[in-house]
Amino acid sequence: KQEVTQIPAALSVPEGENLVLNCSFTDSAIYNLQWFRQDPGKGLTSLLLIQSSQREQTSGRLNASLDKSSGRSTLYIAASQPGDSATYLCAARGNTPLVFGKGTRLSVIA
Amino acid sequence: NAGVTQTPKFRILKIGQSMTLQCTQDMNHNYMYWYRQDPGMGLKLIYYSVGAGITDKGEVPNGYNVSRSTTEDFPLRLELAAPSQTSVYFCASSYGTDGYTFGSGTRLTVV
Repeated sequence: KQEVTQIPAALSVPEGENLVLNCSFTDSAIYNLQWFRQDPGKGLTSLLLIQSSQREQTSGRLNASLDKSSGRSTLYIAASQPGDSATYLCAARGNTPLVFGKGTRLSVIA
Repeated sequence: NAGVTQTPKFRILKIGQSMTLQCTQDMNHNYMYWYRQDPGMGLKLIYYSVGAGITDKGEVPNGYNVSRSTTEDFPLRLELAAPSQTSVYFCASSYGTDGYTFGSGTRLTVV
């Protein structure tokens, strides 16, 4: 059974810092891994999708990497801004639908 | 494209009542899913469908039923609502191994 873990559960940083969010998964036989952003009381917004054949994906200040062999993915946020404050969720898809981690709650302080 | 549309956005049910959460997508996605999200617990899969007429249980299916008569619609039925079903419900869809698109959610309270 796939299990997804995100560390840390919460993170508070000053504006302008570069930061890394970590995601690990137990079953490396995945099709893809997806990172989402969730604002309080809102739905999930897809940030990046990494297929199993890819090593990383980039969108603006966001960069996500995938290492299937070690069961890890990281989301790198460059030059953080207060508007980046949200919960970030990673989810892995294998033979079963997406399995989610519990998320990292990020606060960027101005 | 409206994407994935969920209705209603909010609902309060009394214990024992029933209701249907509606979900429709206009992207011609073959896969559709229902998840529930409880505080601090992440999202858990309730049911999913790989195409019209085909549904399968997820991790937490008890107390729920689904049907998929068309590609576009995937309603979730709650029978005999219980306080444990108080949650935020998200519907999602995908095509093949593409990424998921989520609806905005339904916040359900059972009292």
